[in-house]
Amino acid sequence: GNSVTQMEGPVTLSEEAFLTINCTYTATGYPSLFWYVQYPGEGLQLLLKATKADDKGSNKGFEATYRKETTSFHLEKGSVQVSDSAVYFCALTPNSGNTPLVFGKGTRLSVIA
Amino acid sequence: EAGVAQSPRYKIIEKRQSVAFWCNPISGHATLYWYQQILGQGPKLLIQFQNNGVVDDSQLPKDRFSAERLKGVDSTLKIQPAKLEDSAVYLCASSPVTGGQETQYFGPGTRLLVL
Repeated sequence: GNSVTQMEGPVTLSEEAFLTINCTYTATGYPSLFWYVQYPGEGLQLLLKATKADDKGSNKGFEATYRKETTSFHLEKGSVQVSDSAVYFCALTPNSGNTPLVFGKGTRLSVIA
Repeated sequence: EAGVAQSPRYKIIEKRQSVAFWCNPISGHATLYWYQQILGQGPKLLIQFQNNGVVDDSQLPKDRFSAERLKGVDSTLKIQPAKLEDSAVYLCASSPVTGGQETQYFGPGTRLLVL
């Protein structure tokens, strides 16, 4: 079956620190991979995505590269801000049309000034 | 463009009562999803519609949960009777259908507390 494993939180960083949130997946075929973010009191928002191996998704300074050989899609940002404090979810869909997302458990990030 | 709308935002009920949630997807989006997000976990699919037909309801607890999408637009999710373990955030998402893997857009969710 399809599943996503991401690092446990919470993660607490100082402003301008480097961020990595690990995500690995198990899937049949060639899934599409996503990072969603949930800011306090808000709904899930797509942060970035990649649909095939070696693709790099990027948005708002965040990046993640689809690594088929290690079945990973780690999220990185070079310099975090207090406004990046949120819960981050790694997710996948089988790459076969409109199908439901399979989510990891989420990682809570707190950035302190 | 308006996003996915959900109501109510919060609901508190006692166990064995019934409750209903409403979702209005983005205009023109044929696919609609309901997810359940229990505290500390990622969202899990309950049901997927395409237009007014059910695509996947394999994870919907059909003894107590029901959902409909009349006319292929708005959708309602109902729980009757509610149990304590139904306390969660219920998320609605929608996406267009263009033949590829489309991004899902989420509403703000309905937070349910069952006492």
